[in-house]
Amino acid sequence: QVQLQESGPGLVKPSETLSLTCTVSGGSISNYYWGWIRQSPGKGLEWIGYSYSDGSTNYNPSLKSRVTISVDRSKNQFSLNLSSVTAADTAVYYCARPVGARGSGKYYLDYWGQGTLVTVSS
Amino acid sequence: EIVLTQSPGTLSLSPGERAALSCRASQSVSSSYLAWYQQKPGQAPRLLIYGASSRATGIPDRFSGSGSGTDFTLTISRLEPEDFAVYYCQQYGSSPWTFGQGTKVEIK
Repeated sequence: QVQLQESGPGLVKPSETLSLTCTVSGGSISNYYWGWIRQSPGKGLEWIGYSYSDGSTNYNPSLKSRVTISVDRSKNQFSLNLSSVTAADTAVYYCARPVGARGSGKYYLDYWGQGTLVTVSS
Repeated sequence: EIVLTQSPGTLSLSPGERAALSCRASQSVSSSYLAWYQQKPGQAPRLLIYGASSRATGIPDRFSGSGSGTDFTLTISRLEPEDFAVYYCQQYGSSPWTFGQGTKVEIK
């Protein structure tokens, strides 16, 4: 059974970079896509982006200029960096596994982490 | 981007009753690339249905999905106590993937 666990700071200052890591256990990170989704009271669930285990990425255009997702196969982890954060980036951040035909861009999310609340405040 | 509108916002039902949740898309969802998730307080969403009508592994057969184009439905045939939760639809047929705002199924 694949399990995902988010980790990282729960408080980030405005204009700084939000950094989270997701550790994958119960299976290899190789040959799969890995992604991030966030949930806030104001915007609901929002897809942030995903990366294949080879490092190729796809981001939500609304966040693309600020997002980087990377995969570390040696540690079975993947990470999210979101730069220049504001209060609007306050949300519960989930890591998840997108599943579907490789290269299609059409993936649903079969495994999710428990989520971690990140608050942006000075 | 495709906007998904779920209705009703809240559904008040009793255990044993049938629930029908609607998800309408602002434009056609290609090849029925639509999923449904269940979320309970303090938990992550859980995949129920993908491809509009395929049940995910381990999901009871009282959950079923139907629809195509712009109109999709999640049906729970007989509500069990553990089914009271918030349900979200997600389209993944075109980028960016988007989610509906959710339907809360509460105990009447």
